[in-house]
Amino acid sequence: DAGVTQSPTHLIKTRGQQVTLRCSPKSGHDTVSWYQQALGQGPQFIFQYYEEEERQRGNFPDRFSGHQFPNYSSELNVNALLLGDSALYLCASSPGLAGGGVDEQFFGPGTRLTVL
Amino acid sequence: DAKTTQPTSMDCAEGRAANLPCNHSTISGNEYVYWYRQIHSQGPQYIIHGLKNNETNEMASLIITEDRKSSTLILPHATLRDTAVYYCIVRRYAGNMLTFGGGTRLMVKP
Repeated sequence: DAGVTQSPTHLIKTRGQQVTLRCSPKSGHDTVSWYQQALGQGPQFIFQYYEEEERQRGNFPDRFSGHQFPNYSSELNVNALLLGDSALYLCASSPGLAGGGVDEQFFGPGTRLTVL
Repeated sequence: DAKTTQPTSMDCAEGRAANLPCNHSTISGNEYVYWYRQIHSQGPQYIIHGLKNNETNEMASLIITEDRKSSTLILPHATLRDTAVYYCIVRRYAGNMLTFGGGTRLMVKP
């Protein structure tokens, strides 16, 4: 059973460009969350998708947007890249908001984005 | 969600128990305590969670004080592979986002 997968592994962009990161959740999971982790810091929540809709959002500007597909996979898009967007971007999946239980989130290995 | 306080770093000898404390004095009655760890250059890994009773699984034990204002994660026999940053997180309910603090950097030494 494959866990959470993310692509690409590494990415280098220049300021002002746009980037799309991809995530496939663990089998059986329908909720996907995205986190940004700057060097030396803990991950920061960006947003969460469930049933193809954004359900929760952290303190990130509108340059950060996302999408969830019918197969539960998800994309994170960042427009007008800034140097400060350089970070490890983590995707996490969980069984779902409708589960009612206390679920754990499973994280992928992340995409390392470098903005020059 | 309640805020947590953890020591910045700790050392532990290989084969000994590692006891990682966490303070969450403002925790509410319906908030759970979660522990995750992050090994260098990998995504965070779930370890254990609990509400008020002590919990044990194949990875670790979680001891929560009776007043629920603090907890301790115990790795009973630490190995070099347990070297990681350990995050204590208080979380309200399923589906809610995880709020990571700085965590505790545990160094297991031979």
